Amino acid sequence: DAGVTQSPTHLIKTRGQQVTLRCSPKSGHDTVSWYQQALGQGPQFIFQYYEEEERQRGNFPDRFSGHQFPNYSSELNVNALLLGDSALYLCASSTPTAPYSGNTIYFGEGSWLTVV
Amino acid sequence: AQSVAQPEDQVNVAEGNPLTVKCTYSVSGNPYLFWYVQYPNRGLQFLLKYITGDNLVKGSYGFEAEFNKSQTSFHLKKPSALVSDSALYFCAVRGPPSNTGKLIFGQGTTLQVKP
Repeated sequence: DAGVTQSPTHLIKTRGQQVTLRCSPKSGHDTVSWYQQALGQGPQFIFQYYEEEERQRGNFPDRFSGHQFPNYSSELNVNALLLGDSALYLCASSTPTAPYSGNTIYFGEGSWLTVV
Repeated sequence: AQSVAQPEDQVNVAEGNPLTVKCTYSVSGNPYLFWYVQYPNRGLQFLLKYITGDNLVKGSYGFEAEFNKSQTSFHLKKPSALVSDSALYFCAVRGPPSNTGKLIFGQGTTLQVKP
């Protein structure tokens, strides 16, 4: 049973560029969330996708956008990259009511983004 | 507002000794609490959760956590630490009803187990 898979694992971008990160959820899950983890910090919720729509959003600017495909996989797009966007981006897979229902959220290995 | 606090940036313990990683929470409503571990340059791995029921929750890799409502705490424990337990540990609480898909994390505690 494959867990949550993310790609790429590492990438380096220049300020002002755009980046796309990809995620495939755990088998049996149809909901994908994205988190940003800056160095030395806990993960911060960016947004959640379910049924191919953004359902909930954290406190992130519109430069952060996403997409969910019919097979439940998801992309995170960040436009006009800033140095402060350098972080580990984590994809989380779950059922639609997690974690509020108490169901567990499972995370991928993350994509390390460095903006120079 | 929902929040968790991990008062210790780092915990040092000798191998074979018991370990405790502390977490306190502040929530409105019933607290649903989670512990995750992050090994160097890796993602988060789920350890255990408290939803309701027994205050002592058992999880993966021999870890357990004790929920204490009066002290608003959810401390992670293990009776006998291993060097391989050295990692970054995060406590988390579910988000508010307005944002049900959200986990709110603490700042993390680095656990160092020395041989």
